[in-house]
Amino acid sequence: EAGVVQSPRYKIIEKKQPVAFWCNPISGHNTLYWYRQNLGQGPELLIRYENEEAVDDSQLPKDRFSAERLKGVDSTLKIQPAELGDSAVYLCASRLGYEQYFGPGTRLTVT
Amino acid sequence: TQLLEQSPQFLSIQEGENLTVYCNSSSVFSSLQWYRQEPGEGPVLLVTVVTGGEVKKLKRLTFQFGDARKDSSLHITAAQPGDTGLYLCAGSNTGNQFYFGTGTSLTVIP
Repeated sequence: EAGVVQSPRYKIIEKKQPVAFWCNPISGHNTLYWYRQNLGQGPELLIRYENEEAVDDSQLPKDRFSAERLKGVDSTLKIQPAELGDSAVYLCASRLGYEQYFGPGTRLTVT
Repeated sequence: TQLLEQSPQFLSIQEGENLTVYCNSSSVFSSLQWYRQEPGEGPVLLVTVVTGGEVKKLKRLTFQFGDARKDSSLHITAAQPGDTGLYLCAGSNTGNQFYFGTGTSLTVIP
């Protein structure tokens, strides 16, 4: 069974440019998470979806970040415009029962 | 915010040594997970504990959930270079939210 798929794996952009990340969760997992992780630290939640509904987006910087999960499957996370401080790894995860499973992440570098 | 503090933050040991990583919180969790993350990859789930006082073993790794379900420990016996990575604990409540610890970076020197 395929795990959580994310693309791209790496992205380098200049500040003020837009960027988008894509996630395909494990089939049948209704809960989807987007996290941001800085080097050597634990992931921090940006947004959580239950099916197509965003049920927790309190940590999402809504002035520049947006997310969607059309049809309750794939999800995209967008940043516009990107800032230097947005450089991090963006992780997508999906959940079944007590356990969540992570994708490989997208490493974003903003120059 | 439900904070999980891990200690130590960094650990560098020789192959064959034993080590323990701690994960502490003032909050009660319905379950707690441990993950290992290697550079360039996402965290990989190692174990989930759900019962206070529960002990689970995974080969050379032993995981314990505190009686009050506020803390946990991970003990590695005879560490191997392949154990190198970032170890993360994450507590979960009934709201499907996961709160990650601050992380422990382990380096096992051959």
